[in-house]
Amino acid sequence: DAGITQSPRHKVTETGTPVTLRCHQTENHRYMYWYRQDPGHGLRLIHYSYGVKDTDKGEVSDGYSVSRSKTEDFLLTLESATSSQTSVYFCAIRASGAHSGANVLTFGAGSRLTVL
Amino acid sequence: AQKITQTQPGMFVQEKEAVTLDCTYDTSDPSYGLFWYKQPSSGEMIFLIYQGSYDQQNATEGRYSLNFQKARKSANLVISASQLGDSAMYFCAVPPGSARQLTFGSGTQLTVLP
Repeated sequence: DAGITQSPRHKVTETGTPVTLRCHQTENHRYMYWYRQDPGHGLRLIHYSYGVKDTDKGEVSDGYSVSRSKTEDFLLTLESATSSQTSVYFCAIRASGAHSGANVLTFGAGSRLTVL
Repeated sequence: AQKITQTQPGMFVQEKEAVTLDCTYDTSDPSYGLFWYKQPSSGEMIFLIYQGSYDQQNATEGRYSLNFQKARKSANLVISASQLGDSAMYFCAVPPGSARQLTFGSGTQLTVLP
């Protein structure tokens, strides 16, 4: 168990409202990620973090912001949710060298967000 | 931009038979290898197998093995002796020129028939 907790697991909200998803890890990993999963697209990277207050954009970062004030928490914020942001959001941590020297990503259980 | 291609949106295989799931990638830097993940209907993402770019032999993990053809930029997942529990979505993923992140293909939905 990689000790990754996502909250909330399910959320329904209305267009224009702010939403924050939380990812919490218990193993002090440096790298954390937020992906979204949509049918036909696989997983697409939104933002990632390589340390406290160190973040970078991914492929689909528009409309999202992130913050990492503590090693264990990585927050994803939708400032004003839109229907196109209806998706399943996955948080991941990178366990460096965990498998034959590979930097394997381990995922949380996912957060299903519906924007009406 | 990094591109991962999984050309088989859906595949069917009879229980106990072998199946090959295709993956090709387009990367300017192949240094960081390739990963396969499984996503069952319950939704979790499960790491299956990793192939190092400079590994001399194809990776194997139990019933999973990779057919890695570096010159063709392909790393196909082979599942031997399919089981009903293998029914899932399978994703290949490659670091896009940096070990910091992974880019995923669009996935292949595998259904194992009894």
